[in-house]
Amino acid sequence: LAKTTQPISMDSYEGQEVNITCSHNNIATNDYITWYQQFPSQGPRFIIQGYKTKVTNEVASLFIPADRKSSTLSLPRVSLSDTAVYYCLVGPYARGNEKLTFGTGTRLTIIP
Amino acid sequence: GAVVSQHPSWVICKSGTSVKIECRSLDFQATTMFWYRQFPKQSLMLMATSNEGSKATYEQGVEKDKFLINHASLTLSTLTVTSAHPEDSSFYICSARDQGSGRGEQFFGPGTRLTVL
Repeated sequence: LAKTTQPISMDSYEGQEVNITCSHNNIATNDYITWYQQFPSQGPRFIIQGYKTKVTNEVASLFIPADRKSSTLSLPRVSLSDTAVYYCLVGPYARGNEKLTFGTGTRLTIIP
Repeated sequence: GAVVSQHPSWVICKSGTSVKIECRSLDFQATTMFWYRQFPKQSLMLMATSNEGSKATYEQGVEKDKFLINHASLTLSTLTVTSAHPEDSSFYICSARDQGSGRGEQFFGPGTRLTVL
């Protein structure tokens, strides 16, 4: 499975757009990029998944350049409730039955 | 979205006792469920893959005789920590996929915090 690298932590003010970048230089052809969010003492929650270009849902956007060696999770106008750990996962996750390998994640802190 | 529950949400036990944790998919069926362990300030570590009607598949370094997994139905998997010791204190999380959704996401339970005294 492709290894991912993301910043350990980030701080941002309320109302700003937050972009978290993940590097995955060894991504394979059949790998998808998936982001999960985890609040303290809770299980992770799926945010978004993409294969290439751009994916947008009601929560976030995911930007993937043509070479797919990195991806950026974009959270629009964050609020205090977005303080959490965000995990970038890369693997053949299209079917969802594959075991997930979590990296260190990015601890995002929103400042009032 | 689909809901996965865990019971209990927290448990405190004495060293040497066994603890059973349940993971249920409430509104969907799951032939495969996963069990993770998470220590404070650390990431999730996959322990095992639970398969309905067959033996679980354990990750390297996870003792299958200590962490017993039973997946007797399409909506229930159980993890039993046998002869628990303080080093087994951790946050245990399960996940499952809604096979009928057609989407590649897994749903996680709320976790069970185990404290072994």
